[in-house]
Amino acid sequence: SQKIEQNSEALNIQEGKTATLTCNYTNYSPAYLQWYRQDPGRGPVFLLLIRENEKEKRKERLKVTFDTTLKQSLFHITASQPADSATYLCALGGSSASKIIFGSGTRLSIRP
Amino acid sequence: NAGVMQNPRHLVRRRGQEARLRCSPMKGHSHVYWYRQLPEEGLKFMVYLQKENIIDESGMPKERFSAEFPKEGPSILRIQQVVRGDSAAYFCASSPPSAAGNTIYFGEGSWLTVV
Repeated sequence: SQKIEQNSEALNIQEGKTATLTCNYTNYSPAYLQWYRQDPGRGPVFLLLIRENEKEKRKERLKVTFDTTLKQSLFHITASQPADSATYLCALGGSSASKIIFGSGTRLSIRP
Repeated sequence: NAGVMQNPRHLVRRRGQEARLRCSPMKGHSHVYWYRQLPEEGLKFMVYLQKENIIDESGMPKERFSAEFPKEGPSILRIQQVVRGDSAAYFCASSPPSAAGNTIYFGEGSWLTVV
């Protein structure tokens, strides 16, 4: 069955450093991959989408890579800030109208 | 332009009662997704609907759970005869019609507690 794995342990980073989160998947050939941010008690908020034919996408301090051979995406936050502390979710979608499935998320903490 | 609206935000039900969760998608969105999230866990897909049609219900438990998205009005997730294990946050998301790769926009969730 389709499976998405994200760093199960929380990630603690010093402010100003680059945070790197990993998303690996198996038994799936997604047409696109998305990253979302979720704060406690809130709904997820969309951050970035990258398609299967794209290697890298950037948005301000965020960068996402997508390697369909390794079946892996890396999500980077540069110049991290305490306000970046949240849970980050990876999600995969197919090429036609289909469900979007999520990983279990990685909790990121940025200490001042 | 209002976002995805879910209500109620918090719902307490006794075992055996019914829970109805409502979701109004963003304006212009015709597709709705429902997800369940247990504490410290990720979002588990339940069902994907468009107006008057269920596209994918592969994540729905076989019994007690149903979902609809009528031509008029909000999408409803209905849980009959609730049990303690149904306690969770239920998130609804919506997207515009069609092409793959649409961003889905989430509501703030409905927290169900079964006592």
